[in-house]
Amino acid sequence: AQKITQTQPGMFVQEKEAVTLDCTYDTSDPSYGLFWYKQPSSGEMIFLIYQGSYDQQNATEGRYSLNFQKARKSANLVISASQLGDSAMYFCAMRESGAGSYQLTFGKGTKLSVIP
Amino acid sequence: DTAVSQTPKYLVTQMGNDKSIKCEQNLGHDTMYWYKQDSKKFLKIMFSYNNKELIINETVPNRFSPKSPDKAHLNLHINSLELGDSAVYFCASSQVDLAGNTIYFGEGSWLTVV
Repeated sequence: AQKITQTQPGMFVQEKEAVTLDCTYDTSDPSYGLFWYKQPSSGEMIFLIYQGSYDQQNATEGRYSLNFQKARKSANLVISASQLGDSAMYFCAMRESGAGSYQLTFGKGTKLSVIP
Repeated sequence: DTAVSQTPKYLVTQMGNDKSIKCEQNLGHDTMYWYKQDSKKFLKIMFSYNNKELIINETVPNRFSPKSPDKAHLNLHINSLELGDSAVYFCASSQVDLAGNTIYFGEGSWLTVV
């Protein structure tokens, strides 16, 4: 079974609008971390935001926020006020504890296109 | 200063050749990784090293051999390159003591086998 599922292969959003990228995860580990990375066309992997399984509040980093719904096992990324530079691939990833802490497991990614 | 640096960034080589990709991190992390990103953009772990010891070796052909001379370096050597090895290879590093520690990636090495 997939541990990280991103159901939106591609998304379009109008510049200055908000957009939500979906991510659901599967783990039986009580301690885990959820991450979002951005990969622009230049190829580098840029860390955006992190949410810990025990965090009571949703993580925020500037225009990025993470809508964490633990019972539903979802960790959606919300980008507010989209900019043209936000056009990129976005990956959701999970890191478990114990032996699982030695890797990040990635979803298949969502390609976001921001339209002027 | 680049936190995780890998070289070369681009590599075009013929089938059957042997090539290496070098990686260095200056973050003081204890764990380093190699990930492979295929043509569909899927990222999959290949190897994970903690304090120079191999921790994860996913189902990777034994033509791929990682070498960690010290905590700050993890090189990837590939023997007898095949067309299917064409991909982007990412080196990464992190501290491993907590699930929340961020994994930082290098800029990627684009390998094309012709």
